[in-house]
Amino acid sequence: AQKVTQAQTEISVVEKEDVTLDCVYETRDTTYYLFWYKQPPSGELVFLIRRNSFDEQNEISGRYSWNFQKSTSSFNFTITASQVVDSAVYFCALSGYQTGANNLFFGTGTRLTVIP
Amino acid sequence: DAGVIQSPRHEVTEMGQEVTLRCKPISGHNSLFWYRQTMMRGLELLIYFNNNVPIDDSGMPEDRFSAKMPNASFSTLKIQPSEPRDSAVYFCASSSGLAFQFFGPGTRLTVL
Repeated sequence: AQKVTQAQTEISVVEKEDVTLDCVYETRDTTYYLFWYKQPPSGELVFLIRRNSFDEQNEISGRYSWNFQKSTSSFNFTITASQVVDSAVYFCALSGYQTGANNLFFGTGTRLTVIP
Repeated sequence: DAGVIQSPRHEVTEMGQEVTLRCKPISGHNSLFWYRQTMMRGLELLIYFNNNVPIDDSGMPEDRFSAKMPNASFSTLKIQPSEPRDSAVYFCASSSGLAFQFFGPGTRLTVL
């Protein structure tokens, strides 16, 4: 069974602070994808990153970085020097690695509020 | 590229009425997904299609829900009859093979 746990329901930080959003996953698949999506107040779901299970190298994109650790089944997301525009709900998701379509299993999301 | 297009963006209807949500996937994408987002259940998959064929509809709540994909560029999700508990945001997403899913802007459905 596929499961994604985001234990942090809500986080508030002051602007310019760093913040880490936790994601722990469960899967029996040996090959899989992990994702982060952002849902701003406007409601759309914005893709941030996809990581396959073969690649445990950490990734940095501007102020965003992701730490994938297979040993602890975690795929954490860090925002450095947070800004008010980062305020949103962030979802971690898991997908199997099958031919054809792949369903996404979402965590319950973490609501991040960045206080100016 | 227009992205995934959903219509209507907002729908308010009365209990018992039929509701049809529409989705146009990104051109060239061969997989289409319908998700529902509620406060209680979060984001959950209702059904997905691959090459216009329904692959997994185990998330469809009950027989009142039905989805079709008559061609590669159009899909509908129908609720008949609608109930207040169907109130939610319904997202359509499309993807190409193993690539990540692009989501549409969602349809906010309110059933009174």
